[in-house]
Amino acid sequence: DAGVIQSPRHEVTEMGQEVTLRCKPISGHNSLFWYRQTMMRGLELLIYFNNNVPIDDSGMPEDRFSAKMPNASFSTLKIQPSEPRDSAVYFCASSLLGGGGDTQYFGPGTRLTVL
Amino acid sequence: GQQLNQSPQSMFIQEGEDVSMNCTSSSIFNTWLWYKQDPGEGPVLLIALYKAGELTSNGRLTAQFGITRKDSFLNISASIPSDVGIYFCAGHRNTGGFKTIFGAGTRLFVKA
Repeated sequence: DAGVIQSPRHEVTEMGQEVTLRCKPISGHNSLFWYRQTMMRGLELLIYFNNNVPIDDSGMPEDRFSAKMPNASFSTLKIQPSEPRDSAVYFCASSLLGGGGDTQYFGPGTRLTVL
Repeated sequence: GQQLNQSPQSMFIQEGEDVSMNCTSSSIFNTWLWYKQDPGEGPVLLIALYKAGELTSNGRLTAQFGITRKDSFLNISASIPSDVGIYFCAGHRNTGGFKTIFGAGTRLFVKA
C-alpha cells in the first residue's frame, strides 16, 4: 500500500513568493497533520484535520500560513508570502482514528528553502 | 505550554553497546510514543505505550511508560550501525484538544 505522499520533495523559492505543499494521506485514514521540522525548534505541529475539518490550528505560525483539506484524499499547506525563516522540512502525517495517541504515519517531507 | 525534555541530545556509541534515552515532562500524558527518523525520511513509529508502568519490547528495543505518567525511556540493546538516526519521544493527551507533543530528539551515532 502507498504511504503518505507529499509533493514536491524539494522546493527552492525566493522570498515573497507563494509556496504550496501537497499531501495525499493514506486511504481510509480520517486524520491529517501538518508538521514543520527545524534544527532550532524540532518537530512542531502546525495544524490537525479530522474528517477534513480543521480541529486545531494553534500551531500555525501566522496569517501567512493556511491549510486546506477539500476532501479525504488531499490537503495543501500554503505560505504566502514566503520568508527565509520559513525554510524547514514540512511533514504531512495521517492516522486512522486521530485520537488516543493513534499511530501517525509520516510522509517523506518537503524540504523548503526560501532565499 | 507543554514541553518534553528529551535526553541526551546526541550519543556516540560503539556497535554492540546498549543505549538508553529518556523523556520527562511536567505534564501528565495518556500515551507515550517513540519514533525513529532516518536521514531524508519522516519519523516512523517504533513503540506506543498506553498505560502507566507499561513495559513494551519491539525486537532489541524496550520502552517503558513511567508510573507518574510524566516520563518514558527507550532502551536499545546490542546496537548495530542501522540504528543510526534521530529518536523522538512524543506524549499525547486526550483532553484539552488533541495534540501530540514531540521531544527535541536524540541523535544516535553508531561506530562499527
